[in-house]
Amino acid sequence: GAGVSQSPRYKVAKRGQDVALRCDPISGHVSLFWYQQALGQGPEFLTYFQNEAQLDKSGLPSDRFFAERPEGSVSTLKIQRTQQEDSAVYLCASSLGFGDPVDTQYFGPGTRLTVL
Amino acid sequence: AQSVTQLGSHVSVSEGALVLLRCNYSSSVPPYLFWYVQYPNQGLQLLLKYTSAATLVKGINGFEAEFKKSETSFHLTKPSAHMSDAAEYFCAVTKGGTSYGKLTFGQGTILTVHP
Repeated sequence: GAGVSQSPRYKVAKRGQDVALRCDPISGHVSLFWYQQALGQGPEFLTYFQNEAQLDKSGLPSDRFFAERPEGSVSTLKIQRTQQEDSAVYLCASSLGFGDPVDTQYFGPGTRLTVL
Repeated sequence: AQSVTQLGSHVSVSEGALVLLRCNYSSSVPPYLFWYVQYPNQGLQLLLKYTSAATLVKGINGFEAEFKKSETSFHLTKPSAHMSDAAEYFCAVTKGGTSYGKLTFGQGTILTVHP
């Protein structure tokens, strides 16, 4: 079956440009997470959706970062006025249940964002 | 607050040798612990997870981990390394309640396997 997919896989942006990163979770998965992975680091939590509701956005580093999941399936992470420190791999994960901590999170391959 | 420390950013073993990747956690509440593996240009894949059912957890590809509360550790082991085990490994922790299962990851350990 299909796993979590993300697009684009690679994105190069000039500083100041806006970017949009897409995540297609596994069909039927209620929970969706975004993580940011800087080079040489472990992933760090950005935000969490339960269906279309964004229940936790405590990890978003600034108000330039915005995420949505309007129909409870596909999600988009938008970064406005990109800065060099935004360069990272952005990972999306989905899980079946309503935020049960023992649920397995299934990760996509990530989008590698490079800001020049 | 929770945190995870992975001791050793790089571990190198010979094929057939024991693999030991160390993970220590800090948590104010009983944690749930995970090990993920990441191959180049791929997403993270779950190896195993501790959910308080049993302290010795067996996962995929012959890996296992033991939860030791007294040592706040959750080290990952495999008796005999294969070349295909070369990858980056991440230990992660989460808690119950209103955390929704968001994961806090360690910085990762790159495993190299020599023939």
